[in-house]
Amino acid sequence: DTEVTQTPKHLVMGMTNKKSLKCEQHMGHRAMYWYKQKAKKPPELMFVYSYEKLSINESVPSRFSPECPNSSLLNLHLHALQPEDSALYLCASSLRRLAGHTGELFFGEGSRLTVL
Amino acid sequence: GQQVMQIPQYQHVQEGEDFTTYCNSSTTLSNIQWYKQRPGGHPVFLIQLVKSGEVKKQKRLTFQFGEAKKNSSLHITATQTTDVGTYFCAGQRLKAAGNKLTFGGGTRVLVKP
Repeated sequence: DTEVTQTPKHLVMGMTNKKSLKCEQHMGHRAMYWYKQKAKKPPELMFVYSYEKLSINESVPSRFSPECPNSSLLNLHLHALQPEDSALYLCASSLRRLAGHTGELFFGEGSRLTVL
Repeated sequence: GQQVMQIPQYQHVQEGEDFTTYCNSSTTLSNIQWYKQRPGGHPVFLIQLVKSGEVKKQKRLTFQFGEAKKNSSLHITATQTTDVGTYFCAGQRLKAAGNKLTFGGGTRVLVKP
């Protein structure tokens, strides 16, 4: 079991659809992350939010739009995706230290996205 | 940019045997973390190493951080079928923007009973 909850677990969407992935944690963590993971590859960082502000955007295409409504929630809005965007999207959180180490990442179980 | 490489990419181990996976960074790290991802699962944190030359043990798992803080290893003794999965190291560079973690490519472990 994980303390980071992601919904939906599976999502199939067409290239013209608009959908959202949601992530929630109640551990009081102030850093939240979106990772993308393709099969047999490591997680690839997309976005980092620190204290509800976007602190890292790893040059992700604008068809992915993150949102952090509050310290417990993280969304990833999807629009006009391509088939190559099909992947496992992992949300993670960590205790944020303003100086020094990030600390361990707590990952959710992921949302498996298929773009047709 | 920073690169973190892991070897081997695949490890086939006979149950009961030992094996080691290695992680090498192109730059000096402030710390390194290890994660395990079971097939169909999500990465789960195992350990973080911070000090040069640090060695930590968790039951049958021994983690080491190199003296130069550019490499790390994970040694598993008496491998069990529960050890199946992919082991990722993730390094954090000194004064990296946003304290970003960079994941290695992973070592996929298969255990032969």
